[in-house]
Parts: sequence; structure tokens; C-alpha cells
Amino acid sequence: GAGVSQSPSNKVTEKGKDVELRCDPISGHTALYWYRQSLGQGLEFLIYFQGNSAPDKSGLPSDRFSAERTGGSVSTLTIQRTQQEDSAVYLCASRFGGRGGRDTQYFGPGTRLTVL
Amino acid sequence: EDQVTQSPEALRLQEGESSSLNCSYTVSGLRGLFWYRQDPGKGPEFLFTLYSAGEEKEKERLKATLTKKESFLHITAPKPEDSATYLCAVQEPERLVFGKGTKLTVNP
Repeated sequence: GAGVSQSPSNKVTEKGKDVELRCDPISGHTALYWYRQSLGQGLEFLIYFQGNSAPDKSGLPSDRFSAERTGGSVSTLTIQRTQQEDSAVYLCASRFGGRGGRDTQYFGPGTRLTVL
Repeated sequence: EDQVTQSPEALRLQEGESSSLNCSYTVSGLRGLFWYRQDPGKGPEFLFTLYSAGEEKEKERLKATLTKKESFLHITAPKPEDSATYLCAVQEPERLVFGKGTKLTVNP
């Protein structure tokens, strides 16, 4: 079956513009995560969805960042008024189990965001 | 907060030269320790999950082990295609906390 897919694979934008990043999880996976990977940094957690709800959004760096998930499937991460420090690879992961599960998170290929 | 430290940051081996990567962690009540491999420009690829001290898992030339404070990823007789960044992560209730990774280069 298909893995986690993300689009676009690359996005170049100008400072101050809004961007939307999309994630299609593995079919049937109820949990969905967004992480950010900056140069020289480890993967940083941003937000977690269980179904369409986000029980943990504590990793979102500012109120310019928001995310939603619809139909228990596709998720969109939106960054408003982008800044240069937002440049990073944004990774999406999904997991089959419910809240508190210990099963594996499977990652997509990521979206590389460059803010000029 | 849980902490994950990987060492070394980078490792260069000759083909066939076995070695180990280290992942030390501090966590109250380990829920799971995960190893991933990441190639340039790609997302992390799952390798192993370990849940309790003493557990070991193997896949081809890789073997992961777990103690109460650290995990090792042993690479036996590596090949150039094993070159990648290896990431270790521990599970907090609803997220993974990652180390910064070890970049492995295997020269032919």
C-alpha cells in the first residue's frame, strides 16, 4: 500500500507570505503528526492529531502556525506571514493506533520550505 | 522533559569495519525507543522499536540493543549503501523525542 505522502515536495516563498503544506497519511491510520527538521537540529514535534482533534499542539512555535485535519485523513499545516526562521523541512508521520499507543510512526518524504 | 543524546555526531568507516552507534536517554518510564534511518532529502525510514531493557532486534547487518539508560545500534561489516543518518527517538505519551542523529559514511 501507499505510504505517507506530502505536497509540495519543495516550496520557495517570500517573507510575509502564507503557505499551506499538505499531508496524506497511510489509509486507516488514526494518528497524525507534524514535525520540523531544521539544519543542524533534530526533529522537533509540532502537533498531534487523533482523528480530527488535536489533543497536543504544544510544539507549534507561534500563533502564525496552525493545522487542521479533515475526515480523519488529510491534514494541512498553514504558516502565516512566513519568516526566514521558518525555513526547514516539514515532516508528517502517521500511526495506526489510538491515543497512547506505542506502535510505529511512519514518515512521509517531507516538504522543504525556503523563505527568502 | 525527556532527553535523547546520540554519539558520535559523525562516523566514517571503511567497508567491512564493524562499529556501534550510541543513543543515551533520560525518561521516566520508557514507552518505546525507536531507530530510524534517514537518507539525504528523504523522510526517516523505520528500522526498530525496543520496549524493555535486554531486548535485541536484528535486520540484515544491523542489530539494536537496549539497556535502562542507552541503546546501541551495532553495524556489522557495513557496506557503502549503509551510509545515512541514523536517528534515535523515545516515545513520550503522544510524540517522539529525537536525538540529533549520527551521520554514518561507509567508504568502499
